[in-house]
Amino acid sequence: DIQMTQSPSSVSASVGDRVTITCRASQGISTWLAWYQQTPGKAPKLLIYSASTLQGGVPSRFSGSGSGTDFTLTISSLQPEDFATYFCQQVKTFPLTFGGGTKVEMK
Amino acid sequence: VQLQQWGPGLVKPSETLSLTCGVFGGSFNDYYWNWIRQSPGKGLDWIGDINHSGSTNYNPSLMSRVTISVDTSKSQFSLSLSSVTAADTGVYYCARGKGSGYEGGFFDFWGQGILVTVSS
Repeated sequence: DIQMTQSPSSVSASVGDRVTITCRASQGISTWLAWYQQTPGKAPKLLIYSASTLQGGVPSRFSGSGSGTDFTLTISSLQPEDFATYFCQQVKTFPLTFGGGTKVEMK
Repeated sequence: VQLQQWGPGLVKPSETLSLTCGVFGGSFNDYYWNWIRQSPGKGLDWIGDINHSGSTNYNPSLMSRVTISVDTSKSQFSLSLSSVTAADTGVYYCARGKGSGYEGGFFDFWGQGILVTVSS
């Protein structure tokens, strides 16, 4: 299985901050990577797919980059509704696997 | 597109967990349909998927106990997980794969999730 490792596991930030989350794959996955946002009690929401393509309706303050094994999710200016947990996911190889999550908390 | 899930929230150890997901709106036949679970306080685990013709892919870690089936006449698909233990407790989600090929692995619509507890 391809292991997905996210860092940090949690980050404390304030509204307006720039937040960067990284995801590393245990082997190359080209750009076959997605980012999801999950708030408590809700299903995950697709933010970005193919490493850098914004899903429809997702604010442009979210951006993704990377290819191969190293990927980044950036929130350019954190908004109150962005406090949540973020997961990366690879779709290059079965079984599809997710990272352990990064919780963005209020400082 | 809306996905709505149903099934029991409590299952006894060694019994079979059964959930169904109904798809409302959009095309049913053009996508892969997935089950994902989230153990309490933990991350997400992909269980498997199915298309309209019944072609499936399963996570090898669960393959011996999992069956995913489809009923295209009702735009529904179902999960069956046998011989459950406490380790199978978690929130189970159904989700739509976004497109074909690799994009089928990106989940763009999700069900509301059902917490299934395995306990006697």
